[in-house]
Amino acid sequence: NAGVTQTPKFRVLKTGQSMTLLCAQDMNHEYMYWYRQDPGMGLRLIHYSVGEGTTAKGEVPDGYNVSRLKKQNFLLGLESAAPSQTSVYFCASSYQRAGYNEQFFGPGTRLTVL
Amino acid sequence: GQSLEQPSEVTAVEGAIVQINCTYQTSGFYGLSWYQQHDGGAPTFLSYNALDGLEETGRFSSFLSRSDSYGYLLLQELQMKDSASYFCATNQGGKLIFGQGTELSVKP
Repeated sequence: NAGVTQTPKFRVLKTGQSMTLLCAQDMNHEYMYWYRQDPGMGLRLIHYSVGEGTTAKGEVPDGYNVSRLKKQNFLLGLESAAPSQTSVYFCASSYQRAGYNEQFFGPGTRLTVL
Repeated sequence: GQSLEQPSEVTAVEGAIVQINCTYQTSGFYGLSWYQQHDGGAPTFLSYNALDGLEETGRFSSFLSRSDSYGYLLLQELQMKDSASYFCATNQGGKLIFGQGTELSVKP
């Protein structure tokens, strides 16, 4: 099993460009998440999904959109990138379990917006 | 609001014991989790406490006091490879809210 994979690993964008980050998991998890991590900071939740076809806003959703058309995939879109979106983006997934929530993380995507 | 407080840095020597504290203010609390992250790599799950008390997993233990909104991660017999960032996180209805992390440096 590959676990959680993310594509691409690195990307440099110019201000105003758009891009989509892809997250895939092969563990049949119901829940999937997108986080961003800035230097010296914890992980901040951008959007999450509790099942195929559902999405919800996290702590810092502005400037991002997501889609969960298939259970195993969760896409994060930046419609018009800004330098403030320079960050490392982590995807995670977990089983649906009341209370307990062990999340499995992907290796991250390092995004620079110039 | 929701917030978690943990020290930004801790230094300890190899073989020693270190405790990383976490205090939280959240609504809809289901439990406290701990994650480890090496050099910006993927965070990995260490432990989870839903109820008060101590949970032990090998060299690592985690404690929770719900009445005090407080928990800690205890690392024993420290090894150089334990140098990493450690995050506490509260479980809230399927979501995790993370603290800002504690960077642990283990010295020889």
